[in-house]
Amino acid sequence: NAGVTQTPKFRVLKTGQSMTLLCAQDMNHEYMYWYRQDPGMGLRLIHYSVGEGTTAKGEVPDGYNVSRLKKQNFLLGLESAAPSQTSVYFCATMRASGGTFQETQYFGPGTRLLVL
Amino acid sequence: AQSVTQPDIHITVSEGASLELRCNYSYGATPYLFWYVQSPGQGLQLLLKYFSGDTLVQGIKGFEAEFKRSQSSFNLRKPSVHWSDAAEYFCAVNTGGFKTIFGAGTRLFVKA
Repeated sequence: NAGVTQTPKFRVLKTGQSMTLLCAQDMNHEYMYWYRQDPGMGLRLIHYSVGEGTTAKGEVPDGYNVSRLKKQNFLLGLESAAPSQTSVYFCATMRASGGTFQETQYFGPGTRLLVL
Repeated sequence: AQSVTQPDIHITVSEGASLELRCNYSYGATPYLFWYVQSPGQGLQLLLKYFSGDTLVQGIKGFEAEFKRSQSSFNLRKPSVHWSDAAEYFCAVNTGGFKTIFGAGTRLFVKA
């Protein structure tokens, strides 16, 4: 039972390059989230998904795209990386509980991205 | 709009001393409240949560938090800090939707 895993753990990109971050979960949770963490700013929500085939924008979606083709995977794409996207990216999952949001979020270990 | 404030960017306490980390939120009703801990190089882990009932909530690792409606606060406490508690702590709020708002975090340093 791996929980929430993220691939890769660390990546260096040049400005303008593209990449995809993969989040995989084996907990059968309905909700999945992508956050970025920057010093002094806590976690900010980029995009989220409430089920297979559905995605929605969060607080800071510009420059990112996401897809959730399978329930267990949530992909975050950077089409043209910029230095401002240097950050630590966390994926999280949460069980749906009948319309309430009392459930715990389970986080992956993070991906450190450096854009030069 | 709802918000979460953690007034202390960092706190240093001596091992064995008591700890209180502050959290204030802005929301018209009672939200769901959470405290998460992040050890260096790790993801976040839930310490405790509150959504109704007894306003003093017990969590893992000996932590507790008290919800005070009149002060819109949800402060985290521990009677005796251990060196392994050194980490970053995040207060978070959910107001009944898909999104959870996180505070900026408080980094705890523990000195011997």
